[in-house]
Amino acid sequence: SQELEQSPQSLIVQEGKNLTINCTSSKTLYGLYWYKQKYGEGLIFLMMLQKGGEEKSHEKITAKLDEKKQQSSLHITASQPSHAGIYLCGAAIFLEGGADGLTFGKGTHLIIQP
Amino acid sequence: ETGVTQSPTHLIKTRGQQVTLRCSSQSGHNTVSWYQQALGQGPQFIFQYYREEENGRGNFPPRFSGLQFPNYSSELNVNALELDDSALYLCASSRDRGSYNEQFFGPGTRLTVL
Repeated sequence: SQELEQSPQSLIVQEGKNLTINCTSSKTLYGLYWYKQKYGEGLIFLMMLQKGGEEKSHEKITAKLDEKKQQSSLHITASQPSHAGIYLCGAAIFLEGGADGLTFGKGTHLIIQP
Repeated sequence: ETGVTQSPTHLIKTRGQQVTLRCSSQSGHNTVSWYQQALGQGPQFIFQYYREEENGRGNFPPRFSGLQFPNYSSELNVNALELDDSALYLCASSRDRGSYNEQFFGPGTRLTVL
C-alpha cells in the first residue's frame, strides 16, 4: 500500500517568516493533493499536482512535485496567522471498480507566532 | 465553504450501538467518498459511491456500509460500534470519478463511542 510521510510533524514559525513542508511517498505519485485543516474541521483544498516537475502557486503558497513524482513540497512565503492549521498531503489510490480515493499523510501542525 | 454538508455535527453512542451519518454532496457532483480521521492521524478512505453504487472500498470491515441516493446525497452506517470507531468522519464529493477531479470535503461528524 502507498504511504505518505510528512515532515516536520509540527512547526512553529514567527509571523513573516518563510517555511517549507515536505511530503514523501513510498510509491510513484499519480496525483498529489495538498489540503489545509483547521483543528477538528473539514479539509480545504489548496492545490493538486499531477505532472513531474509541476509547480503551482496560490497567493503566498507554492507547491511542487519533483521530477520522479515521489516527493512534494509546500512552501509558504511571509507567513501570516491565517496560515496556521494542519497541512495534509494526499495521494490518489486506485481500487478495483475504478474508485480512486485518497490516502493521506499524518499532517503537519503549523503554528504562527506573532 | 464547499457546499458539502454533513449531519449531525457531533454524536455520542455506546459500544454495540448502530449509527447513521449523512452527507449532502455539492450540486452537480455524482461521487461521494467517506473518510475516517482518528485523532492525530490523516483521513483514511472508507469507500466511495458513484451514481448510487459502491465503487471501491478501503480496509474497513463490512459493518461499515453506505448508501447513495438519486440526488447523490449519501449515508454512512456503522453497526456494532467499537471504541476505536471514535473519530471525525468526513465525506467528500466530486464532479465525477477520477483522480483529476477535486474532492470537496464537508465539515465532518465527530463520533464518540463510550
